[in-house]
Amino acid sequence: AQSVTQLDSHVSVSEGTPVLLRCNYSSSYSPSLFWYVQHPNKGLQLLLKYTSAATLVKGINGFEAEFKKSETSFHLTKPSAHMSDAAEYFCVVSERSGGYQKVTFGTGTKLQVIP
Amino acid sequence: ETGVTQSPTHLIKTRGQQVTLRCSSQSGHNTVSWYQQALGQGPQFIFQYYREEENGRGNFPPRFSGLQFPNYSSELNVNALELDDSALYLCASSFNGGGTDTQYFGPGTRLTVL
Repeated sequence: AQSVTQLDSHVSVSEGTPVLLRCNYSSSYSPSLFWYVQHPNKGLQLLLKYTSAATLVKGINGFEAEFKKSETSFHLTKPSAHMSDAAEYFCVVSERSGGYQKVTFGTGTKLQVIP
Repeated sequence: ETGVTQSPTHLIKTRGQQVTLRCSSQSGHNTVSWYQQALGQGPQFIFQYYREEENGRGNFPPRFSGLQFPNYSSELNVNALELDDSALYLCASSFNGGGTDTQYFGPGTRLTVL
């Protein structure tokens, strides 16, 4: 069975400071991992994905995430927060199961950026 | 912009009614997945359609049903609406080619059940 735990429901940072959003996962097989961002009243936008290639994954808007198998973690980081980064972020685990791609979302982390 | 479109954007229904939501997948994609996102929560997987057949389902009752058409567009139907069905319904399209299917989401349909 697969599961995702986002360790913080809310994170608040000052503009220009680093961002760290934490995610731990559980999966029976070699999973694929994703981060999506959702701005208020919008759909989900793909930030980045890990699919068993390089463990450090670079995404859009300066975000990156590192896959650490020993820690079963896939934390999202950004060196310097921008006001436009304020949104909700979802960590997602995906694995092929019975012919379809089973996808499980975390509960989300709301990022607040203080000017 | 992902190329995934959903209609309508907003919908208000009363308890007991039936609703149909529509999704057009991104060009080149052959798989559509539907999710329910209640307020303040993460999306919950409803089901997935591939080659016009349901090939995966989450923990949702049979009154949630769907269709996929030859052009890979899809419908989500919900019968006997309940107040708890009020949510944002998201459609995601992907290409099932045997590898990792990256899902691209539409903007969602906001359903309110009164």
